[in-house]
Amino acid sequence: DQQVKQNSPSLSVQEGRISILNCDYTNSMFDYFLWYKKYPAEGPTFLISISSIKDKNEDGRFTVFLNKSAKHLSLHIVPSQPGDSAVYFCAAREEGDDKIIFGKGTRLHILP
Amino acid sequence: DVKVTQSSRYLVKRTGEKVFLECVQDMDHENMFWYRQDPGLGLRLIYFSYDVKMKEKGDIPEGYSVSREKKERFSLILESASTNQTSMYLCASLTGQEGYGYTFGSGTRLTVV
Repeated sequence: DQQVKQNSPSLSVQEGRISILNCDYTNSMFDYFLWYKKYPAEGPTFLISISSIKDKNEDGRFTVFLNKSAKHLSLHIVPSQPGDSAVYFCAAREEGDDKIIFGKGTRLHILP
Repeated sequence: DVKVTQSSRYLVKRTGEKVFLECVQDMDHENMFWYRQDPGLGLRLIYFSYDVKMKEKGDIPEGYSVSREKKERFSLILESASTNQTSMYLCASLTGQEGYGYTFGSGTRLTVV
């Protein structure tokens, strides 16, 4: 049973526009949510995270929003740039557990 | 910066071979992990280790084993490689920084023929 779900396998966005990547989760015990970015033939790299006690975290062009009541989070990228084309993984950690649970990923294409 | 180094970027092995994938981290982290990434399936946890000589099964341990003889090194072993183990293998180390999560290696693309 998937605890972290990314229902859009791919997303295409025009350069300069906003990219919104969505993620849903089922486990109410998750206390940290993370986004990773992955280019082909490379390992994932950490992008941004948010604690369950917050509803927003911002880092430059990247903002993550958390809606605990809906068990939903989203990653906003503004403005989208060509280098943002990659696979984005939503992930979550349960309090006291060192394992991170990953979604299946969303491939983001930034169109020129 | 934490470095997680996987010894091979690309490997081609024959069915039935015993395969060793090596991973080394340089930050004295206790927790290390092996994942595989497959299209449409995301990242799936194979094995992890909390300390030297300790190991725990992840979600898909069948056909794999691991070794952690030293804190900095975590090896994944394919006992008898099969074609369905063709995949991208990713090693990760858990940082102590709150909210940061893993640092991943560059990955090993393994092809079993």
